[in-house]
Amino acid sequence: ELKVEQNPLFLSMQEGKNYTIYCNYSTTSDRLYWYRQDPGKSLESLFVLLSNGAVKQEGRLMASLDTKARLSTLHITAAVHDLSATYFCAVVDTDKLIFGTGTRLQVFP
Amino acid sequence: EAGVAQSPRYKIIEKRQSVAFWCNPISGHATLYWYQQILGQGPKLLIQFQNNGVVDDSQLPKDRFSAERLKGVDSTLKIQPAKLEDSAVYLCASSLSGYGYTFGSGTRLTVV
Repeated sequence: ELKVEQNPLFLSMQEGKNYTIYCNYSTTSDRLYWYRQDPGKSLESLFVLLSNGAVKQEGRLMASLDTKARLSTLHITAAVHDLSATYFCAVVDTDKLIFGTGTRLQVFP
Repeated sequence: EAGVAQSPRYKIIEKRQSVAFWCNPISGHATLYWYQQILGQGPKLLIQFQNNGVVDDSQLPKDRFSAERLKGVDSTLKIQPAKLEDSAVYLCASSLSGYGYTFGSGTRLTVV
């Protein structure tokens, strides 16, 4: 059974700082997604990573995938308050998404 | 392109009552999923449909939960009888051949 772990579970960071969220998964997969969820809202797709070494960037967020290590990272550069949300990674297992525990990010001035 | 539609948005029921949720996926999406998201946790898959057939329902508590997808389009998820621990957001998602998953706004269920 595929298991997905994220760390940290909670991240409080100051505006302007950099940080990385880690996503580890237990068995081979060819696709990994990152989602953002605001309180009381649904899931917003941020990135899909399809191959080993894939790197995608959008604004202050950059995601990467190492399929050999079964590890994905979501790097935040110069955080701003608008990035405060919960971030989930999700790994595809026979066409279904298996989600991590989530990282609740809080950015303060 | 219209998104995944879910209703109702909110539902409050007493324990042991029954409740049903409805989902209309994106047109043409053959695969439909129901997820349960308990507060503070990641979504957990309950059931996966391919057209109107069940692909995976291994995590569905079948003694109280049931789901169907009529004619391979709309789907309903039912809980009967509800327990306090069923309080959660129920998310419906659809995809085209396992790529590009789109989630609905969810139904927030509170069991009191």
